[in-house]
Amino acid sequence: DGGITQSPKYLFRKEGQNVTLSCEQNLNHDAMYWYRQDPGQGLRLIYYSQIVNDFQKGDIAEGYSVSREKKESFPLTVTSAQKNPTAFYLCASSKGRGVGDTQYFGPGTRLTVL
Amino acid sequence: SQQGEEDPQALSIQEGENATMNCSYKTSINNLQWYRQNSGRGLVHLILIRSNEREKHSGRLRVTLDTSKKSSSLLITASRAADTASYFCATDSNTGNQFYFGTGTSLTVIP
Repeated sequence: DGGITQSPKYLFRKEGQNVTLSCEQNLNHDAMYWYRQDPGQGLRLIYYSQIVNDFQKGDIAEGYSVSREKKESFPLTVTSAQKNPTAFYLCASSKGRGVGDTQYFGPGTRLTVL
Repeated sequence: SQQGEEDPQALSIQEGENATMNCSYKTSINNLQWYRQNSGRGLVHLILIRSNEREKHSGRLRVTLDTSKKSSSLLITASRAADTASYFCATDSNTGNQFYFGTGTSLTVIP
């Protein structure tokens, strides 16, 4: 997990509320990623950013938004439009912008909607 | 979908035994990587194998890649209780710009 921090570790949200998950890296990596993991399943890509002020949708971007104003930060907002937001959220970064570069993961944020 | 699939979904072995897990994918790739995830934690990169490589070793890990069968295997030799975790393969695509993770193999090593 070294070099990438996610906060908070656990997050509870009421239905209808937006919530923002933090992801910070001090690895000087260009690319950053957000994944969602549901129980017993693999990771699904929500959004990724290969450079500051630019980001791309992944496979399941609906109901989520991101920003990349600084190289070291890539916050994810889970909006009220996301119908089933309860999940484990993982942030990652990679040195290069190339697809397939080794990704370094944060410890994750577990979001529960009450 | 490009997403890989690991087999078996779950594996339970005695300490000291070898553990083998397999990954199959659907389209041509540049690289295939294996990651490990301890329960409730982030993923940790284990090893990368390129499409022009057939086998790679790292410590007790041995990875093979068969691009003709679109499959890879991860062998952990002389397993330890600390190897208990979920293991994921991840593939890129030589025609796309995304990175896909498989569904994972849950390994339990019994002391």
